[in-house]
Amino acid sequence: QVQLQESGPGLVKPSQTLSLTCAVSGGSITSGPYYWSWIRQHPGKGLEWLGYIHYSGSTYYKPSLQSRVTISVDTSRNQFSLKVNSVTAADTAMYYCASAHNSDYFDYWGQGTLVTVSS
Amino acid sequence: QSVLTQPPSVSGAPGQRVTISCTGSSSNIGAGYDVHWYQQLPGMAPKLLINDNSNRPSGVPDRFSGSKSGTSASLAITGLQADDEADYYCQSYDKSLRVVFGGGTKLTVL
Repeated sequence: QVQLQESGPGLVKPSQTLSLTCAVSGGSITSGPYYWSWIRQHPGKGLEWLGYIHYSGSTYYKPSLQSRVTISVDTSRNQFSLKVNSVTAADTAMYYCASAHNSDYFDYWGQGTLVTVSS
Repeated sequence: QSVLTQPPSVSGAPGQRVTISCTGSSSNIGAGYDVHWYQQLPGMAPKLLINDNSNRPSGVPDRFSGSKSGTSASLAITGLQADDEADYYCQSYDKSLRVVFGGGTKLTVL
């Protein structure tokens, strides 16, 4: 059973970079059919896909966020990461990492980590 | 405004059947992309409920079923139970936007 765990600062100042890491256990991040994903949820709102990465390095982002979002993978540590540049209060959200089977549906999710953007 | 449209809320009494719709367009569901459903209990991460329109992952009760037709999909829950009270989200793929979610539907068990 794959398990995912997000980690990173819970508070980020406006204009700075939000950085989160997702540790994968119970399976290899180099498992072929999986894309490793970041999804966020603004307080009281719905789910928003940010992007995903294959262990080979192929990345896909939500078009409207592509200029600010970077997802990377570290196969040696079995983890992947998210960076969001130039954050504002609108980036305050619960951030989830998840595995996307064949880049299709999200079958395993982390518990989520709340990130607040505030000075 | 979400690309996939869901009703904001539905409700039903214990034991009843409820359905949640997910309406898309020719750029996503109507283009043949599969629809997946998630259940999010209060304070918890979402959980995959239905994948590929109608497939139930292991451990999901058969009270939950999914279907797809044209530019829409539906999630049906029969024999409603108190612990089904949650938010439900549909998800698909869009030719322009890539991965898209519905706005979510809050299910209240009366």
